[in-house]
Parts: sequence; C-alpha cells; structure tokens
Amino acid sequence: DSGVTQTPKHLITATGQRVTLRCSPRSGDLSVYWYQQSLDQGLQFLIQYYNGEERAKGNILERFSAQQFPDLHSELNLSSLELGDSALYFCASSLGVNPSYEQYFGPGTRLTVT
Amino acid sequence: DQQVKQNSPSLSVQEGRISILNCDYTNSMFDYFLWYKKYPAEGPTFLISISSIKDKNEDGRFTVFLNKSAKHLSLHIVPSQPGDSAVYFCAASVLLSGGSNYKLTFGKGTLLTVNP
Repeated sequence: DSGVTQTPKHLITATGQRVTLRCSPRSGDLSVYWYQQSLDQGLQFLIQYYNGEERAKGNILERFSAQQFPDLHSELNLSSLELGDSALYFCASSLGVNPSYEQYFGPGTRLTVT
Repeated sequence: DQQVKQNSPSLSVQEGRISILNCDYTNSMFDYFLWYKKYPAEGPTFLISISSIKDKNEDGRFTVFLNKSAKHLSLHIVPSQPGDSAVYFCAASVLLSGGSNYKLTFGKGTLLTVNP
C-alpha cells in the first residue's frame, strides 16, 4: 500500500460526458502528479501540483483540468469525453518537486468511455 | 516524438539468471533517470534511480547503468526471481525552463517474465 488513494476505482461513462477523478496523497506529501496510461502507451505525464500551485504541465488536453485543494487532495476533471480517453489514470505524490523525491503511485482509476 | 524508448516489449529469463532491461533516450537535457516496476492492477513502484553525474548505481539485486555518450540506460537484475515478473518502466527527468520544475518522461515499458 503506497498510501496514495484514488477514487473511483472504475468509471464507465458515455462520450460527451464529464467526470472527476479524485486523489488523496500520502500523508506529508505536498506534490501531486497525474498520469494517463492508454493501451500500448507508457505513462504519459499530465500535470503536477505542489502545495496547491500548478508546477508543470505535460501532454494534458485542453478538455482536461486539475486542481489541488488546501487539504492537498487533488481532482482531475475530464470533459467532453471521447472514446480515446479510455485509459488508466494514475495519481502519484511525493514530498517535493525534485525528481530525487520518490513518487508514490496510487492504484489508478480505470476510465471506460463508451 | 518518443524521447524515452524501451525497444523490447517483453523479455523472458530463467530464475537465477541475469535480466537486462534496456532503455534509450534522445534528449541530452535529461539529468536524472529512474526505473519503476508495475504489477497488474497496481500502480508503479519506484525501484532504483541514477543521476547523470554517475554511471552506476546499485541496490541489492538491482543495478542501473548509465552510458551518457550512447544515451543508454540499463537495469540489471541478478539473480532474477519469479517475483520480479512485472512491467518495468524507464523514466527520465528534465529541468524545465524557469529552473525549479521538473518533468518525468516514461518509456512504454518492458514485460519481464522470470520462469521458475
């Protein structure tokens, strides 16, 4: 158990809909990361927050947005969903922003868009 | 443009032998490299890392080698055990403009199967 929790575990929704994925970081971790893992793809970095502030952006679509709240939990919002958005979405947390701080991954949310 | 490549989707080795997983990168600005292991239905877990100022880092059965001139990274597992069977991801970090933020780029992973 990494200490990172993600809800829900599974999500099935239709094209055009909007969903929110939730992540609670490990106790004491200030940094939260979101990743997408599609079929045949590695982990694609989406976005990083540190203590409520956006710090780095990766291949995140404009239809996607995220935020980190004062209690440090984070939400990833996916809107106008397309079939290609079906993927595993992982959240990770770490103490700081430096890559030498180990990232602890949650179990992921499997999103299926039908 | 895939900046971190793991060209072998899968690798099968016998228990007790050495497993060598390879990773190539294209961005010379990467300065920190990591390996993660992932079991089915779980998130990735950190395995070992190496800074670009080193060429080797060892942790128990796991050793990572870095060849900067070849832009090549490898993970050696000796001896391999059936419990090592998992997907292994190589990742590389770059300092973003602004000087205080980093971005991790992952490869697509290699499925290692260790046969008893």
